[in-house]
Amino acid sequence: AQKITQTQPGMFVQEKEAVTLDCTYDTSDPSYGLFWYKQPSSGEMIFLIYQGSYDQQNATEGRYSLNFQKARKSANLVISASQLGDSAMYFCAMRDSGANNLFFGTGTRLTVIP
Amino acid sequence: DAGVIQSPRHEVTEMGQEVTLRCKPISGHNSLFWYRQTMMRGLELLIYFNNNVPIDDSGMPEDRFSAKMPNASFSTLKIQPSEPRDSAVYFCASSLKGSYNEQFFGPGTRLTVL
Repeated sequence: AQKITQTQPGMFVQEKEAVTLDCTYDTSDPSYGLFWYKQPSSGEMIFLIYQGSYDQQNATEGRYSLNFQKARKSANLVISASQLGDSAMYFCAMRDSGANNLFFGTGTRLTVIP
Repeated sequence: DAGVIQSPRHEVTEMGQEVTLRCKPISGHNSLFWYRQTMMRGLELLIYFNNNVPIDDSGMPEDRFSAKMPNASFSTLKIQPSEPRDSAVYFCASSLKGSYNEQFFGPGTRLTVL
């Protein structure tokens, strides 16, 4: 069963604008973690931000924030003030207490337009 | 601090040859993961270890693939014999065990089987 769904294969955003990348997840475990990774064209996987299922507040890391809506099982990534260097693939992932591994979505390719 | 180290970074081999990919996790991490990334299938977990013990190898494609972790600082993924369809980027990642701990990825090994 698909645990992580990213419905946007590609997104475009104007430089300096904000963009939201969608992610929905499926788990019956009350304890889980949600992660976002960035994969630039160079290929490495870069950890961006984490949200725990029991966290009361949305996670933020610099220009990245996670819009966590637990009842809707969504964990959208918001990038504010987009920069050209933000152009990359973005993967949403989940790890629940029943498994130590990450389940990844199919990714969203973000292109920042100057 | 050194991150996850993988070698080689690139490997080109001929069908039927044995291929060995190597990984050194971040010191102190007790979970290690091997992933494969292709355009068709995205990021797939192949196998993961906790405290050097293989926990879940259900993602290993077939008997041609094997993985070992003889100690806390070293793991190998071996393909014997290799086939063209094994061409992919293979990532190693490590983390502390627990649903709230992010995985740190190595730079990946790009494998091409001719």
